[in-house]
Amino acid sequence: QVHLVESGGGVVQPGRSLRLSCAASGFDFSNYVMHWVRQAPGKGLEWVALISFDSTIKYYADSVKGRFTISRDNSNNSLYLEMNSLRTEDTALYYCARAILGESLDAIDHWGQGTVVTVSS
Amino acid sequence: QSVLTQPPSVSAAPGQMVTISCSGTSSNIGNNYVSWYQQLPGTVPKLLIFDDNKRPSGIPDRFSGSKSGTSATLGITGLQTGDEADYYCATWDSRLIVVVFGGGTKLTVL
Repeated sequence: QVHLVESGGGVVQPGRSLRLSCAASGFDFSNYVMHWVRQAPGKGLEWVALISFDSTIKYYADSVKGRFTISRDNSNNSLYLEMNSLRTEDTALYYCARAILGESLDAIDHWGQGTVVTVSS
Repeated sequence: QSVLTQPPSVSAAPGQMVTISCSGTSSNIGNNYVSWYQQLPGTVPKLLIFDDNKRPSGIPDRFSGSKSGTSATLGITGLQTGDEADYYCATWDSRLIVVVFGGGTKLTVL
Protein backbone atom coordinates (compact mmCIF):
# COMPACT_ATOMS: atom_id res chain seq x y z
CA GLN A 1 0.00 0.00 0.00
CA VAL A 2 1.38 3.38 -1.03
CA HIS A 3 2.20 5.61 1.91
CA LEU A 4 3.51 9.18 1.81
CA VAL A 5 4.24 10.95 5.07
CA GLU A 6 5.32 14.58 5.12
CA SER A 7 7.18 16.27 7.96
CA GLY A 8 9.09 19.45 8.66
CA GLY A 9 6.31 22.01 8.60
CA GLY A 10 5.95 24.67 11.24
CA VAL A 11 5.80 28.37 11.97
CA VAL A 12 8.63 30.46 10.54
CA GLN A 13 9.31 34.17 10.14
CA PRO A 14 9.37 35.81 6.71
CA GLY A 15 12.77 35.53 5.06
CA ARG A 16 13.71 32.37 6.95
CA SER A 17 14.11 28.82 5.66
CA LEU A 18 12.42 25.48 6.17
CA ARG A 19 13.04 21.98 4.85
CA LEU A 20 10.14 19.62 4.21
CA SER A 21 10.61 15.87 3.99
CA CYS A 22 8.42 13.10 2.64
CA ALA A 23 8.94 9.45 3.53
CA ALA A 24 7.62 7.08 0.88
CA SER A 25 6.79 3.41 1.28
CA GLY A 26 4.79 0.66 -0.37
CA PHE A 27 6.11 1.18 -3.90
CA ASP A 28 9.35 1.37 -5.86
CA PHE A 29 10.08 5.03 -5.14
CA SER A 30 13.00 5.18 -7.58
CA ASN A 31 10.67 4.60 -10.55
CA TYR A 32 8.30 7.51 -10.03
CA VAL A 33 8.12 11.23 -10.73
CA MET A 34 7.28 13.05 -7.49
CA HIS A 35 5.57 16.38 -6.84
CA TRP A 36 5.03 18.96 -4.15
CA VAL A 37 1.61 20.62 -4.29
CA ARG A 38 0.33 23.19 -1.81
CA GLN A 39 -3.02 24.53 -0.71
CA ALA A 40 -3.37 27.84 1.10
CA PRO A 41 -6.11 28.02 3.74
CA GLY A 42 -9.49 28.07 2.02
CA LYS A 43 -7.90 28.18 -1.42
CA GLY A 44 -7.37 25.83 -4.36
CA LEU A 45 -4.53 23.53 -5.26
CA GLU A 46 -1.28 25.08 -6.42
CA TRP A 47 1.44 22.96 -7.98
CA VAL A 48 4.89 23.76 -6.56
CA ALA A 49 7.53 21.51 -8.11
CA LEU A 50 8.29 18.11 -9.62
CA ILE A 51 11.35 15.93 -9.87
CA SER A 52 12.03 13.07 -12.26
CA PHE A 53 12.72 9.56 -10.99
CA ASP A 54 16.48 10.04 -11.39
CA SER A 55 16.63 13.72 -10.31
CA THR A 56 17.83 14.86 -13.74
CA ILE A 57 14.70 16.94 -14.38
CA LYS A 58 13.26 19.47 -11.95
CA TYR A 59 10.51 21.96 -12.67
CA TYR A 60 9.17 24.75 -10.48
CA ALA A 61 6.20 27.06 -10.33
CA ASP A 62 7.15 30.66 -11.08
CA SER A 63 6.01 31.66 -7.59
CA VAL A 64 8.78 29.58 -5.97
CA LYS A 65 11.50 29.46 -8.64
CA GLY A 66 14.84 30.55 -7.27
CA ARG A 67 13.67 30.15 -3.65
CA PHE A 68 12.62 26.50 -3.39
CA THR A 69 14.64 23.40 -4.30
CA ILE A 70 13.19 19.94 -4.77
CA SER A 71 15.39 16.90 -4.28
CA ARG A 72 15.15 13.20 -3.57
CA ASP A 73 17.16 10.35 -2.10
CA ASN A 74 16.15 7.12 -3.78
CA SER A 75 18.30 5.07 -1.42
CA ASN A 76 16.18 6.32 1.49
CA ASN A 77 12.84 6.58 -0.35
CA SER A 78 12.64 10.25 0.53
CA LEU A 79 11.56 13.46 -1.14
CA TYR A 80 12.54 16.93 0.05
CA LEU A 81 11.62 20.55 -0.44
CA GLU A 82 14.12 23.16 0.67
CA MET A 83 12.30 26.47 1.07
CA ASN A 84 14.32 29.68 1.39
CA SER A 85 13.36 33.35 1.61
CA LEU A 86 9.90 32.37 2.77
CA ARG A 87 7.05 34.82 2.29
CA THR A 88 3.70 35.12 3.99
CA GLU A 89 2.06 33.94 0.76
CA ASP A 90 3.89 30.61 1.10
CA THR A 91 1.63 29.77 4.04
CA ALA A 92 -0.15 26.55 3.06
CA LEU A 93 -0.63 22.86 3.54
CA TYR A 94 2.14 21.19 1.54
CA TYR A 95 1.40 17.81 -0.04
CA CYS A 96 3.95 15.26 -1.18
CA ALA A 97 2.46 13.43 -4.17
CA ARG A 98 3.29 10.65 -6.60
CA ALA A 99 2.70 10.85 -10.33
CA ILE A 100 1.26 7.90 -12.18
CA LEU A 101 3.62 5.89 -14.34
CA GLY A 102 3.46 7.22 -17.86
CA GLU A 103 3.90 10.45 -19.77
CA SER A 104 1.32 12.63 -18.05
CA LEU A 105 3.21 14.78 -15.56
CA ASP A 106 -0.05 16.24 -14.22
CA ALA A 107 -1.64 12.92 -13.19
CA ILE A 108 -1.07 12.37 -9.45
CA ASP A 109 -2.46 9.16 -8.03
CA HIS A 110 -1.28 9.28 -4.42
CA TRP A 111 -1.10 12.14 -1.96
CA GLY A 112 0.26 12.42 1.56
CA GLN A 113 -1.78 14.01 4.32
CA GLY A 114 0.30 17.17 4.11
CA THR A 115 2.37 19.29 6.45
CA VAL A 116 1.42 22.83 7.42
CA VAL A 117 3.79 25.72 6.81
CA THR A 118 2.91 29.05 8.37
CA VAL A 119 5.02 32.09 7.52
CA SER A 120 4.34 34.86 9.99
CA SER A 121 6.20 37.47 11.97
CA GLN B 1 -5.67 33.96 -11.49
CA SER B 2 -5.45 30.36 -12.72
CA VAL B 3 -4.22 29.49 -16.20
CA LEU B 4 -7.14 27.04 -16.44
CA THR B 5 -10.63 28.48 -15.99
CA GLN B 6 -13.33 26.57 -14.12
CA PRO B 7 -16.73 27.78 -12.94
CA PRO B 8 -16.58 28.57 -9.21
CA SER B 9 -19.66 26.48 -8.47
CA VAL B 10 -22.20 24.12 -9.98
CA SER B 11 -25.22 22.44 -8.49
CA ALA B 12 -27.71 19.75 -9.35
CA ALA B 13 -30.20 17.46 -7.68
CA PRO B 14 -29.49 13.91 -6.51
CA GLY B 15 -29.68 11.43 -9.34
CA GLN B 16 -29.11 14.09 -11.96
CA MET B 17 -26.08 14.72 -14.13
CA VAL B 18 -23.66 17.63 -13.95
CA THR B 19 -20.73 18.77 -16.06
CA ILE B 20 -17.77 20.88 -14.99
CA SER B 21 -15.80 22.73 -17.62
CA CYS B 22 -12.12 23.57 -17.72
CA SER B 23 -10.95 26.08 -20.29
CA GLY B 24 -7.35 26.58 -21.34
CA THR B 25 -5.19 27.33 -24.35
CA SER B 26 -3.23 25.53 -27.03
CA SER B 27 -0.14 25.49 -24.81
CA ASN B 28 -1.88 23.48 -22.11
CA ILE B 29 -5.18 21.66 -22.68
CA GLY B 30 -4.95 21.93 -26.44
CA ASN B 31 -1.81 19.82 -26.64
CA ASN B 32 -1.53 17.91 -23.37
CA TYR B 33 -3.55 15.42 -21.39
CA VAL B 34 -5.96 16.60 -18.70
CA SER B 35 -6.55 15.11 -15.27
CA TRP B 36 -9.37 15.71 -12.80
CA TYR B 37 -9.36 15.58 -9.00
CA GLN B 38 -12.03 15.40 -6.34
CA GLN B 39 -11.38 16.90 -2.92
CA LEU B 40 -14.03 16.05 -0.35
CA PRO B 41 -14.23 18.45 2.61
CA GLY B 42 -11.27 18.01 4.91
CA THR B 43 -9.59 15.33 2.80
CA VAL B 44 -6.72 15.04 0.35
CA PRO B 45 -7.37 15.25 -3.39
CA LYS B 46 -8.26 12.06 -5.24
CA LEU B 47 -7.47 11.37 -8.89
CA LEU B 48 -10.71 10.80 -10.83
CA ILE B 49 -9.61 11.04 -14.46
CA PHE B 50 -6.22 11.08 -16.18
CA ASP B 51 -5.12 11.24 -19.82
CA ASP B 52 -8.35 13.12 -20.65
CA ASN B 53 -10.75 10.23 -20.14
CA LYS B 54 -9.17 7.31 -18.27
CA ARG B 55 -10.35 6.28 -14.82
CA PRO B 56 -7.96 4.87 -12.22
CA SER B 57 -8.90 1.58 -10.68
CA GLY B 58 -11.75 1.99 -8.21
CA ILE B 59 -13.28 5.12 -9.73
CA PRO B 60 -16.88 4.39 -10.75
CA ASP B 61 -17.99 4.93 -14.33
CA ARG B 62 -20.37 7.65 -13.10
CA PHE B 63 -17.31 9.88 -13.59
CA SER B 64 -16.17 10.61 -17.13
CA GLY B 65 -13.80 12.97 -18.87
CA SER B 66 -13.75 14.45 -22.33
CA LYS B 67 -11.83 17.08 -24.24
CA SER B 68 -12.41 19.19 -27.31
CA GLY B 69 -9.85 21.67 -28.54
CA THR B 70 -8.72 23.80 -25.60
CA SER B 71 -11.52 22.79 -23.23
CA ALA B 72 -12.05 19.74 -21.08
CA THR B 73 -15.14 18.53 -19.27
CA LEU B 74 -15.78 16.35 -16.25
CA GLY B 75 -19.14 14.64 -16.22
CA ILE B 76 -20.80 13.08 -13.20
CA THR B 77 -23.99 11.07 -13.54
CA GLY B 78 -26.30 9.69 -10.87
CA LEU B 79 -25.33 12.44 -8.44
CA GLN B 80 -25.10 11.51 -4.78
CA THR B 81 -24.84 13.75 -1.73
CA GLY B 82 -21.44 12.18 -1.18
CA ASP B 83 -20.24 13.78 -4.43
CA GLU B 84 -20.34 17.22 -2.82
CA ALA B 85 -16.74 18.34 -3.10
CA ASP B 86 -14.32 20.64 -4.85
CA TYR B 87 -13.23 19.48 -8.28
CA TYR B 88 -10.02 20.52 -10.00
CA CYS B 89 -8.69 20.07 -13.51
CA ALA B 90 -4.96 19.96 -14.22
CA THR B 91 -2.60 19.65 -17.13
CA TRP B 92 0.93 20.37 -18.29
CA ASP B 93 1.62 23.75 -19.87
CA SER B 94 4.25 23.38 -22.61
CA ARG B 95 4.93 27.12 -22.85
CA LEU B 96 5.21 27.86 -19.13
CA ILE B 97 6.92 24.49 -18.43
CA VAL B 98 4.77 23.88 -15.37
CA VAL B 99 1.85 21.80 -14.14
CA VAL B 100 -1.25 23.99 -13.89
CA PHE B 101 -4.39 23.48 -11.85
CA GLY B 102 -7.75 25.07 -12.45
CA GLY B 103 -9.16 27.28 -9.73
CA GLY B 104 -11.57 24.58 -8.63
CA THR B 105 -15.33 24.11 -8.82
CA LYS B 106 -17.51 23.52 -5.77
CA LEU B 107 -20.23 20.98 -6.49
CA THR B 108 -23.41 21.20 -4.45
CA VAL B 109 -25.90 18.36 -4.61
CA LEU B 110 -29.20 19.96 -3.68
